[in-house]
Parts: sequence; structure tokens; C-alpha cells
Amino acid sequence: DAKTTQPPSMDCAEGRAANLPCNHSTISGNEYVYWYRQIHSQGPQYIIHGLKNNETNEMASLIITEDRKSSTLILPHATLRDTAVYYCIVRVAGGATNKLIFGTGTLLAVQP
Amino acid sequence: NAGVTQTPKFRVLKTGQSMTLLCAQDMNHEYMYWYRQDPGMGLRLIHYSVGEGTTAKGEVPDGYNVSRLKKQNFLLGLESAAPSQTSVYFCASSYDRVFTEAFFGQGTRLTVV
Repeated sequence: DAKTTQPPSMDCAEGRAANLPCNHSTISGNEYVYWYRQIHSQGPQYIIHGLKNNETNEMASLIITEDRKSSTLILPHATLRDTAVYYCIVRVAGGATNKLIFGTGTLLAVQP
Repeated sequence: NAGVTQTPKFRVLKTGQSMTLLCAQDMNHEYMYWYRQDPGMGLRLIHYSVGEGTTAKGEVPDGYNVSRLKKQNFLLGLESAAPSQTSVYFCASSYDRVFTEAFFGQGTRLTVV
């Protein structure tokens, strides 16, 4: 299983872009990169995922490097409600398994 | 559409007691998961299921049992609760395709005294 490495915490000013990095240097060719977030005491929430192309949705953008060994989640205009723990996950692929393995994530604190 | 519903939301158990946590989803998802979350540990996968009648072990399965008798329900059992099982438990479900998202319940806070 490919592991991910994220900084334990980051700060961001309200209204500015938040750029959350993730390293996944052992990712294999058929594994996707997923991002989830967890607002205090709530269940995790899906944000976005990608394989090798950059992706964008209404919540965020995902930039994956060409070698796929790292990625960045971008929240274009962070608000106080974006304060949460953000998890970068590499999806285990193959066989009948489809499990998500979470690490400890990055605590993003959006400052007013 | 309720999504993923966990029952109960809070529970206090005495050491040695047993209990079952219920997870129900109404999205016709094949995959279901049970996680526990402890301070500073992130989420850890306990057991999961890839379809009705099937279960498999995750990262931390000891002390827990699960059953998936119906596609929409995934039960997590503690036969003899221990203080080390004090945690917040989350259930999740997803489609069986690799590119789909998982939906999480709101959690069950369990305290074992």
C-alpha cells in the first residue's frame, strides 16, 4: 500500500488560497489520490480525487505532479468553515479490496 | 435520502459488557467500513465488507466482530468491552468502483469504564 506524508498543521488567512501538500512517492500506476476532510467531531467528507490529470470541482482543485509522487490540494478562497483536518489518501487497488486507509492528516487553521 | 446512519450516537459501557453498533445506508452501496478514531491517531480501519455476506479484517480488528447479513446494514460487535476500546467509531459506505467516494456517518462516541 502506498503511504502518504503530510505536514501536521498549516495556517491560512481567510480569503486566501490554501495549498495543502501531500507526498506519495511509492504510488503505483493504478492507484488514485483522494482527499477527504474532517471538521471537528463530524464524519469525514469527500473532497476530490484524481489519477494523473489535474482535477477541479466546486470545492477544490487537485494538482498531481507528472511523476505522480506528490500532489497539492488547493482551496481557492479559504473561509473559517474550511478549518478542518485534511487527509490525503492513496486508494488501495486490486482484487476485491476497496478500502481507504487514513493517515493523521493536516490540520488547516483558517485565520480571520 | 438519509445517507449513512449510525446507532447509537453515544454509549457508556462497563468493562466486560457487550454491545452492537449499527450502521445503515440507503444508497445501495456494496462496500461498507468501520473505523475508529483516537486522539492523534487519525482514522484506523477495523473491518470492512465488499458485499452482503462478506467481511474482512482491516488494520485493527482485534476485539471486534462484524456481520453484513443485509446489504444496507453493517454491524460492529464488542463481545467483551475494554477501556482500550474507548473511541469514536465511524461507519462509511461506497460503491465498488475504485473512483467513487465514500460517505461517512456522524460517529458513535463510546466510553468503556
